[in-house]
Amino acid sequence: GAGVSQSPSNKVTEKGKDVELRCDPISGHTALYWYRQSLGQGLEFLIYFQGNSAPDKSGLPSDRFSAERTGGSVSTLTIQRTQQEDSAVYLCASSLNRAEAFFGQGTRLTVV
Amino acid sequence: KNQVEQSPQSLIILEGKNCTLQCNYTVSPFSNLRWYKQDTGRGPVSLTIMTFSENTKSNGRYTATLDADTKQSSLHITASQLSDSASYICVVSGLSQAGTALIFGKGTTLSVSS
Repeated sequence: GAGVSQSPSNKVTEKGKDVELRCDPISGHTALYWYRQSLGQGLEFLIYFQGNSAPDKSGLPSDRFSAERTGGSVSTLTIQRTQQEDSAVYLCASSLNRAEAFFGQGTRLTVV
Repeated sequence: KNQVEQSPQSLIILEGKNCTLQCNYTVSPFSNLRWYKQDTGRGPVSLTIMTFSENTKSNGRYTATLDADTKQSSLHITASQLSDSASYICVVSGLSQAGTALIFGKGTTLSVSS
């Protein structure tokens, strides 16, 4: 595609529910990153994919968080049993190896 | 451990004033460093890229510097405008095959007031 696409753009969910966030990277980009930004905070690294594998998932805050990438393209970030502290903007970025990273517009997750 | 540290965390300046944002990194071996600007509600967008051999690079009112020996970079904004209010993120690319390819700083939030 022309850019990194994330869906949904906004998600409101009840505490305890599971949510799935989707990222469509730029076609051909091998690297894919998930970050989150809590209100007033900086970027917090979650996980990095190179192709379909995740050489660095050290940023996932708990075992409620998981992510996968299939076909070297689309990635899904899943949060199980959501908590209020999970409320944040979740950003996805893709790059061709170590070249410029292009970001999506983010998914704003609100857990009520 | 490869890290990127930015300072200050936040900054408030008056319109028309200059400011400098700092980025220190420990990524080694080093490939390049980029500064991104993130407007509220939008994804970050690249402002400038610095490679090992470059000391300074300008993009309009934005000037980035790089000292590869001390592993420090700065982003200087001249004659600030209200539209400069944003988060500025420093991203360093390493040459190692292992681990994360791009290391992101947490960003500096700049607020320009009239």
